[in-house]
Amino acid sequence: DVKVTQSSRYLVKRTGEKVFLECVQDMDHENMFWYRQDPGLGLRLIYFSYDVKMKEKGDIPEGYSVSREKKERFSLILESASTNQTSMYLCASNPGRGPSYNSPLHFGNGTRLTVT
Amino acid sequence: AQKVTQAQTEISVVEKEDVTLDCVYETRDTTYYLFWYKQPPSGELVFLIRRNSFDEQNEISGRYSWNFQKSTSSFNFTITASQVVDSAVYFCALHLFQGAQKLVFGQGTRLTINP
Repeated sequence: DVKVTQSSRYLVKRTGEKVFLECVQDMDHENMFWYRQDPGLGLRLIYFSYDVKMKEKGDIPEGYSVSREKKERFSLILESASTNQTSMYLCASNPGRGPSYNSPLHFGNGTRLTVT
Repeated sequence: AQKVTQAQTEISVVEKEDVTLDCVYETRDTTYYLFWYKQPPSGELVFLIRRNSFDEQNEISGRYSWNFQKSTSSFNFTITASQVVDSAVYFCALHLFQGAQKLVFGQGTRLTINP
């Protein structure tokens, strides 16, 4: 069965800390995504990647960066965490190359990050 | 601009009632895809259905059914004879065929089925 694993379910960090959120998928998918979920706003795309070492900005990339050194792993980095980055972060993946591929996303369970 | 609106923030019904979750979308593209996802308390979004813009046939899967109407830009989701296990947050999403692969999600509807 398809599996997307996020390393932490809950994280508490201090303002100004560098934070790493890790995501691993075991399905050999080309595409990986990071979303954040906030009440009343639904899911918003932060960054996505079509291939190793490739990344594209989503709708809200400010304050975040990503790394994809291996196909199965996609990391989200908060360079200097701020309280407005307190949120639920969801990683997802799907197969297929190219920008228009529309295969359904497979999601991880999410990481609830609190920045104090 | 592309937008998905789920006007119902929360819905609460008693078990065995039928319930409809509304989804209205906006896009100028003629080719697009619509999705519904379910997010149970465990947090993982689960894919329910995908529909492309050229297929307006309604779909039924067990107790679930979807009504796609391009004339009103709506893609509504109905659960018949609801069960407690249907309690979750449901998201409608829009994917454009052209351009970068991005899903635009609605705000979500929290559905609570009471025993």
